Amino acid sequence: QTVVTQEPSFSVSPGGTVTLTCGLSSGSVSSSHYPSWYQQTPGQAPRTLIYSTNTRSSGVPDRFSGSMLGNKAALTITGAQADDESDYYCVLYMGSGISVFGGGTKLTVL
Amino acid sequence: EVQLLESGGVLVQPGGSLRLSCVASGFTFSSYAMYWVRQAPGKGLEWVSTIRGSGSNTYYADSVKGRFTISRDNSKNTLYLQMNSLRDEDTAVYYCAKRADSSGNDLKIDYWGQGTLVTVSS
Repeated sequence: QTVVTQEPSFSVSPGGTVTLTCGLSSGSVSSSHYPSWYQQTPGQAPRTLIYSTNTRSSGVPDRFSGSMLGNKAALTITGAQADDESDYYCVLYMGSGISVFGGGTKLTVL
Repeated sequence: EVQLLESGGVLVQPGGSLRLSCVASGFTFSSYAMYWVRQAPGKGLEWVSTIRGSGSNTYYADSVKGRFTISRDNSKNTLYLQMNSLRDEDTAVYYCAKRADSSGNDLKIDYWGQGTLVTVSS
């Protein structure tokens, strides 16, 4: 059973830059996994940030960017703001119609 | 404006059945794959199922395969999730979501519903 890995928590200072990653317990992430990233605040539905590695969803500010970083997918937030404090989830496509979410990263802005 | 409105979430006993619905508006429903994604209380997101726009292809997470059935009625712009043999671990908020483009099997969501809570408990 392949597990999608994310940092459980991360912190960033207001105005700072943070990079969250999304990996595999076995093997490397590639663009063929079509990495997507979602943001969620407590009690709210998720919001789509990035899909297909680096395509921003409509209305998402350009301070959110997606990329590949070594053998992982990455979400970078530049100029972090207080309302970026959220949970961030990545999801990878495993083939045959199957997708798997990572466990999520709780981002604190302080 | 795209809208996805889920309904059907209730308290149900283990072993019971339930059907969730998601009424869509604001786009050509039949042109897009749709998804169900769930979130157990205090836990992360879990992809549950995908159905192609025509309804011809469906996919399921191992955790629900054989128990859940995704379907759609394109004449009613409605997505369904039939849930049978429910277990305690199926307790979650179930989100309906729309694919961002008209092809592909990966999870590429542009719109989410607000979710409906399913509680499985005796």
